[in-house]
Amino acid sequence: EPEVTQTPSHQVTQMGQEVILRCVPISNHLYFYWYRQILGQKVEFLVSFYNNEISEKSEIFDDQFSVERPDGSNFTLKIRSTKLEDSAMYFCASTEFPSTGELFFGEGSRLTVL
Amino acid sequence: AQSVTQLGSHVSVSEGALVLLRCNYSSSVPPYLFWYVQYPNQGLQLLLKYTTGATLVKGINGFEAEFKKSETSFHLTKPSAHMSDAAEYFCAVTDGGATNKLIFGTGTLLAVQP
Repeated sequence: EPEVTQTPSHQVTQMGQEVILRCVPISNHLYFYWYRQILGQKVEFLVSFYNNEISEKSEIFDDQFSVERPDGSNFTLKIRSTKLEDSAMYFCASTEFPSTGELFFGEGSRLTVL
Repeated sequence: AQSVTQLGSHVSVSEGALVLLRCNYSSSVPPYLFWYVQYPNQGLQLLLKYTTGATLVKGINGFEAEFKKSETSFHLTKPSAHMSDAAEYFCAVTDGGATNKLIFGTGTLLAVQP
């Protein structure tokens, strides 16, 4: 069964460093999302992406964050200068039909900022 | 704006007992509704969803949920809990916006006692 894959599964970084989290959405999906979950808290929407541009972003998605589809398969989330509070699990999701609301999530990338 | 409330951040049941996890949403316009499960150190797995049609929906692992428009609720139930059901459960709804993104509840951690 097709699935969303994310790398790395876990990354530890120093405060102030740049981090890139990678996602390979399901191949025929065109709508992509990033969510994050701070430990013990709820899953929060960060950004949605379609047709090579951001469709919607939350207040959390400030200038430190960016997304990109560098090629036909990858979808990346970059955090330019990490802060301690960026430590969280980051989930990538994709869908073929956003009208259904059903998103297919990856296993997540755990980011730890020291 | 759409919001989701999950009553009870922690629920503990005995093996074989009924599981009831509560979810209420805020919008007067019924959204699409979802339950996701997250096992320890894993991603989000879709349990079941309601979009249209029959208000009682069945999902994986014996779970089901009933959409009650009059109560703006979508509670998750399972007649008989199993040890393997121990996990965190998230209710989510579509926000009806441009990308129809999902809004998640705060989650309910289900513990199953032997």
